[in-house]
Amino acid sequence: DADVTQTPRNRITKTGKRIMLECSQTKGHDRMYWYRQDPGLGLRLIYYSFDVKDINKGEISDGYSVSRQAQAKFSLSLESAIPNQTALYFCATSADSYNEQFFGPGTRLTVL
Amino acid sequence: GQQVMQIPQYQHVQEGEDFTTYCNSSTTLSNIQWYKQRPGGHPVFLIQLVKSGEVKKQKRLTFQFGEAKKNSSLHITATQTTDVGTYFCAEASKGSGNTGKLIFGQGTTLQVKP
Repeated sequence: DADVTQTPRNRITKTGKRIMLECSQTKGHDRMYWYRQDPGLGLRLIYYSFDVKDINKGEISDGYSVSRQAQAKFSLSLESAIPNQTALYFCATSADSYNEQFFGPGTRLTVL
Repeated sequence: GQQVMQIPQYQHVQEGEDFTTYCNSSTTLSNIQWYKQRPGGHPVFLIQLVKSGEVKKQKRLTFQFGEAKKNSSLHITATQTTDVGTYFCAEASKGSGNTGKLIFGQGTTLQVKP
């Protein structure tokens, strides 16, 4: 079984809709991250969380919000989706600051 | 802001040829991590370099961290079709506290012709 799972894996939605992407992990890691990937831009950090009570903005947080429901769950919301939020979204976890990050399989989101 | 520049963006090689991707920064890097993303897949951690001048090998892959800790490279000897994918370097960002944020390079996509 995968250690980091994401749902849904693919989603097509319309401009203005509210969307939630979910991430769950069984690695027991405190640190969780949300990234978006666009061609030629690498991975950019949206939000990160060091524990249930600690949420931090990344480099591109505008238009997004997150919720850390439990140590194992970290969800990303788009309150009103827009077409330039079409991207591949990855959740990741790590045990500590300088440890490797473990990525989920990704969610491909298309906003029409 | 802090940036990690990675070149080239794309590389096409014949199977058996060597391949190198470079990661550069204008500021001193605290450490470098390398990830590989297969087509349609997710990034997978390869290695972390921390010390100035560090060299690590994994079979045909050689990772180097520059003496000034401002650059790093990944070299693949005698590429195989299984090496296809995008290779990213990333630095755990500096700043207040132990943030653990990774700043990723743009990635180098490797295509290998059989």
